Amino acid sequence: DSGVTQTPKHLITATGQRVTLRCSPRSGDLSVYWYQQSLDQGLQFLIQYYNGEERAKGNILERFSAQQFPDLHSELNLSSLELGDSALYFCASSVGPRGNQPQHFGDGTRLSIL
Amino acid sequence: GEDVEQSLFLSVREGDSSVINCTYTDSSSTYLYWYKQEPGAGLQLLTYIFSNMDMKQDQRLTVLLNKKDKHLSLRIADTQTGDSAIYFCAESGYGGSQGNLIFGKGTKLSVKP
Repeated sequence: DSGVTQTPKHLITATGQRVTLRCSPRSGDLSVYWYQQSLDQGLQFLIQYYNGEERAKGNILERFSAQQFPDLHSELNLSSLELGDSALYFCASSVGPRGNQPQHFGDGTRLSIL
Repeated sequence: GEDVEQSLFLSVREGDSSVINCTYTDSSSTYLYWYKQEPGAGLQLLTYIFSNMDMKQDQRLTVLLNKKDKHLSLRIADTQTGDSAIYFCAESGYGGSQGNLIFGKGTKLSVKP
């Protein structure tokens, strides 16, 4: 058990809809990362928050947004969903904001768009 | 830009050693990570190494780093069927100044009994 909790485990919805994915980091970790895993693109970094503030952005679409709350949990919002958004979405957490600290991953949320 | 490459498949017999290879492109000092993903599960951190080190050993796992060639390998001694999984190599962005990880495509390890 990594200590990172993601809910829900599975999400099935239709094109055009909006969903929210939730992540609780490991106790003591201030950084939260979101990654997307798909068969064609592999694991891609989306966005990072550190202590409530956006820290870095990767290949995140404008239809996607995220935030980190005062209790350090994070939510990833995906809107106007398209078939190509079907993927496994991972949250990871680490103590600090830099790459010299290991990231621990949750079990992911599998999103299926019908 | 930064890139991480791995071979896609590796098949070994139970009890043999497995060696999974990875190359990276970041020219600055960086941290390099190995993760394991079993079917339907998340990524499990196995080990990591800083780019000024040559080797790191942790029980059955040995990481070797050739800085000149930017080549990283993960050796699993006495490979078991429970080691069957996808193994990802990753480097931290911009020499570790950024937190995000850049992943390879993953190597699927199959262990035959």
